[in-house]
Amino acid sequence: DQQVKQNSPSLSVQEGRISILNCDYTNSMFDYFLWYKKYPAEGPTFLISISSIKDKNEDGRFTVFLNKSAKHLSLHIVPSQPGDSAVYFCAASESGGTSYGKLTFGQGTILTVHP
Amino acid sequence: DTAVSQTPKYLVTQMGNDKSIKCEQNLGHDTMYWYKQDSKKFLKIMFSYNNKELIINETVPNRFSPKSPDKAHLNLHINSLELGDSAVYFCASSQDPGNYGYTFGSGTRLTVV
Repeated sequence: DQQVKQNSPSLSVQEGRISILNCDYTNSMFDYFLWYKKYPAEGPTFLISISSIKDKNEDGRFTVFLNKSAKHLSLHIVPSQPGDSAVYFCAASESGGTSYGKLTFGQGTILTVHP
Repeated sequence: DTAVSQTPKYLVTQMGNDKSIKCEQNLGHDTMYWYKQDSKKFLKIMFSYNNKELIINETVPNRFSPKSPDKAHLNLHINSLELGDSAVYFCASSQDPGNYGYTFGSGTRLTVV
């Protein structure tokens, strides 16, 4: 029962264009969401997060959008750079109870940015 | 000055052996975790410790036993290794996971032959 899904295994974009990575979730108890980036042979690196009280959070070239009614979030990278090529993981968690801090991850999307 | 360091990076061992993976963080975080990335690339939580106290224990075979001697260390011991234990194991730490997420180690690739 995969509660966080990234349905696109891969995405290819041209340098300078927008990259849009998508994520869907099923657990309505999730109330904060995060994106991680992972290079080969390294651990995931935290990128940006958003809580359920917001619908948008921006940090430099990265913006995360949350649509609670659709249980959908997306990560926009503008402009995309070749160094952004990596695997991107979406993750979600509940802030309450014993599940606090437990992240449920999607299976990742491989982003390739072509020069 | 690596923030979360885990050793070894690679581990190849035979079925039935017992092995340990060590993890240390120098960030002063209160909470540490072990995650497993399986062959399908899903990252799944195994354990979480807060200030040496076990707070999350997912459905993991009891051959896996975490040990936290202090809040900067969380080691993972695996008894009677099986082929299905082959995976990449990530250690992580956090102080405020909702806003700042985790800081992950670089992973230990365990191969059981």
